[in-house]
Amino acid sequence: GAGVSQSPSNKVTEKGKDVELRCDPISGHTALYWYRQSLGQGLEFLIYFQGNSAPDKSGLPSDRFSAERTGGSVSTLTIQRTQQEDSAVYLCASSSMGRNEQYFGPGTRLTVT
Amino acid sequence: GESVGLHLPTLSVQEGDNSIINCAYSNSASDYFIWYKQESGKGPQFIIDIRSNMDKRQGQRVTVLLNKTVKHLSLQIAATQPGDSAVYFCAEKEETSGSRLTFGEGTQLTVNP
Repeated sequence: GAGVSQSPSNKVTEKGKDVELRCDPISGHTALYWYRQSLGQGLEFLIYFQGNSAPDKSGLPSDRFSAERTGGSVSTLTIQRTQQEDSAVYLCASSSMGRNEQYFGPGTRLTVT
Repeated sequence: GESVGLHLPTLSVQEGDNSIINCAYSNSASDYFIWYKQESGKGPQFIIDIRSNMDKRQGQRVTVLLNKTVKHLSLQIAATQPGDSAVYFCAEKEETSGSRLTFGEGTQLTVNP
């Protein structure tokens, strides 16, 4: 079956511009996560959605970052007024109800120039 | 070959050897642990997981060992192959943090033919 998909695969933007990153989770998965991975580093948790519950936004680094999940499926991560330190790979993962293992998409590589 | 926690982020082994990748965790409340493999340019791929009520779990060519006394996790890969070359991450989850995974910094495994 189809895995987690993300788009775009690469995004180059100028400092100060807004960007939107998209994630399509595995069909039927109720939980969706966003992580950020800087070059050569581990994954940093950003935000977590579970069903219709309020999202856990505790990992968002600043108020320039926001995310939404429409209809319990597709999610969009928005970064406003991008800064160079936002350059990273943004990874999305999903998991099914009651399961701990998270399945990751290929990521979006964001470069802020 | 064997790595030593997160302070030695690279491990080089010969094809056919067994590999041991180590991970130290600090949160004694963590109750679930998972290993991911990440190849260059791809998202992390689930390898194997283990709950805190177990100390060993085996998969195909891989074994995860958990020592809760010293908060240590290891991934053993039998008969390492060139296709095993990747960065390996351990991650942990604490029940009270919901489903958020906390990742280690990763170990780069290189398999020499």
